[in-house]
Amino acid sequence: KNQVEQSPQSLIILEGKNCTLQCNYTVSPFSNLRWYKQDTGRGPVSLTIMTFSENTKSNGRYTATLDADTKQSSLHITASQLSDSASYICVVSENNAGNMLTFGGGTRLMVKP
Amino acid sequence: EAQVTQNPRYLITVTGKKLTVTCSQNMNHEYMSWYRQDPGLGLRQIYYSMNVEVTDKGDVPEGYKVSRKEKRNFPLILESPSPNQTSLYFCASSLSWPSSYNEQFFGPGTRLTVL
Repeated sequence: KNQVEQSPQSLIILEGKNCTLQCNYTVSPFSNLRWYKQDTGRGPVSLTIMTFSENTKSNGRYTATLDADTKQSSLHITASQLSDSASYICVVSENNAGNMLTFGGGTRLMVKP
Repeated sequence: EAQVTQNPRYLITVTGKKLTVTCSQNMNHEYMSWYRQDPGLGLRQIYYSMNVEVTDKGDVPEGYKVSRKEKRNFPLILESPSPNQTSLYFCASSLSWPSSYNEQFFGPGTRLTVL
């Protein structure tokens, strides 16, 4: 069964610090991997997407990496801001006719002043 | 403004009382989907629709129904809600199958409580 595991489940950091969130998956065959940011009480919003051939993708202070061989991805947040407090969800898509999505459980990040 | 809207945003109901959560998108998207989000379980897909009159089950379809009579609307129907359907529900849409080329846009969510 396809799985997406995220770690840590929750994280507290001080404003201005960097952090890295992890995503391990067993989805096969792999199509793409997305990172979403979900503010409390809101719907998820896409941050980055990477296909098999991409190993790094940046979106402002967010940088995602992908190692398709080890089936691991990370989301690095640089110089964190209070507005980065949210849940971050890793979603992996299968490369088949159905393009089924498997969602990770998310990492809840809290940035404190 | 391109968006996915859901109504109601909050709903408290009682067991067995039929309810419908509406979802509408104004982006002419073909693909629409419903998810529920529960603590510790992440987002799980309930139903999805590839186009008008084309719907299919997701991972957790039991107790739910959907319809796709128009391209823009994809209502979620709970014929006889039960307390285990208390959850946060999200509707999403994308131009076609969610892929590296087709980003999925999520609605604001509907928090449902079934007593």
